[in-house]
Amino acid sequence: GIQVEQSPPDLILQEGANSTLRCNFSDSVNNLQWFHQNPWGQLINLFYIPSGTKQNGRLSATTVATERYSLLYISSSQTTDSGVYFCAVDPYDKVIFGPGTSLSVIP
Amino acid sequence: EAQVTQNPRYLITVTGKKLTVTCSQNMNHEYMSWYRQDPGLGLRQIYYSMNVEVTDKGDVPEGYKVSRKEKRNFPLILESPSPNQTSLYFCASSLQYTDTQYFGPGTRLTVL
Repeated sequence: GIQVEQSPPDLILQEGANSTLRCNFSDSVNNLQWFHQNPWGQLINLFYIPSGTKQNGRLSATTVATERYSLLYISSSQTTDSGVYFCAVDPYDKVIFGPGTSLSVIP
Repeated sequence: EAQVTQNPRYLITVTGKKLTVTCSQNMNHEYMSWYRQDPGLGLRQIYYSMNVEVTDKGDVPEGYKVSRKEKRNFPLILESPSPNQTSLYFCASSLQYTDTQYFGPGTRLTVL
């Protein structure tokens, strides 16, 4: 089956710093989504991005489907950005999650 | 308010005692899904439903049942829970399976 990898697994940032999270997938997909799980466990959809680039405030994402990767950019990080970031792909009608990147933003 | 609700939010039970975790969405979504989240294993899909009366297995369906009699509801049934089903469970829905998924708040289940 399709493999989804995320890097780095852990990241610690000083507040105000920028970061790039990466998601690699081993086969063609119909869809790719980025999620944020906050420290209270809530899962929030950030982007639905099967290809191209999208921006939402300080966050942006780019998916290059032909090269099977997606990037999530966080600029001017804030402590509220802490949590785990997951990418998820839909190669068919199932959904496969990556292992996540755990982000800690310190004041 | 558009939302996915799950009940109960927390449950402690004993091995073998049948239980149901309810999931309901008010967004008229076609696609609904159940996931479990375990340390070191991440989020894994249990079952999904493309529409009413259409359900299919995800990656870890053993020990679970689902039904989709109405579009808004997608209950998860554990006929005979075992300790290895102790986990954090999430229900999610989307307009179609290729669309943005919205997650419920999660149900933390402990099976003793």
